[in-house]
Amino acid sequence: NAGVTQTPKFRVLKTGQSMTLLCAQDMNHEYMYWYRQDPGMGLRLIHYSVGEGTTAKGEVPDGYNVSRLKKQNFLLGLESAAPSQTSVYFCASSFTIQGGAYEQYFGPGTRLTVT
Amino acid sequence: DQQVKQNSPSLSVQEGRISILNCDYTNSMFDYFLWYKKYPAEGPTFLISISSIKDKNEDGRFTVFLNKSAKHLSLHIVPSQPGDSAVYFCAGRVNTGFQKLVFGTGTRLLVSP
Repeated sequence: NAGVTQTPKFRVLKTGQSMTLLCAQDMNHEYMYWYRQDPGMGLRLIHYSVGEGTTAKGEVPDGYNVSRLKKQNFLLGLESAAPSQTSVYFCASSFTIQGGAYEQYFGPGTRLTVT
Repeated sequence: DQQVKQNSPSLSVQEGRISILNCDYTNSMFDYFLWYKKYPAEGPTFLISISSIKDKNEDGRFTVFLNKSAKHLSLHIVPSQPGDSAVYFCAGRVNTGFQKLVFGTGTRLLVSP
């Protein structure tokens, strides 16, 4: 049981290049999320998915796209990277828990630098 | 518009003493509050939560207190251990169909032997 895994762990891009970050979870969770963490700021939600084939925008969606073709995978794409997208990206997943505490499981993060 | 605030970026405590991490919030729609712990180069891991209708929740060395009138919560770690050294994030949950977490900026705790 690997939990939530992210690929790659590190990446350096030049401005204008594109890339895809892959998130995979083996816990059969319905919900998946992409966050970014920047110095002095909390984790901010980029996009999320409540199930296979569905995605929605979070707080900071501009410049990113996502896809959830399989329940266990959630992809985050940068079509034309900008220096402002230099950040640490975290993927998370969770069950749809009603009436109880809400626990998200996080991956180890991807450190992206855009020069 | 920062709905969850952790005003202390860092805290240093000696091993065996109490660590108190604080969090303030402005959104009255939060129905749960959660604390996450994060080590360097790892993702955050869930630590403890509290329902907005409770005022205390305890789990081993960790206790979270909620003061709704002051819109304030705190995490107490007793006794503190060097392995507790990490960044602690407070988060509030908004449940409007989709359960969204709003995170604070984190407090770095250093527990020295």
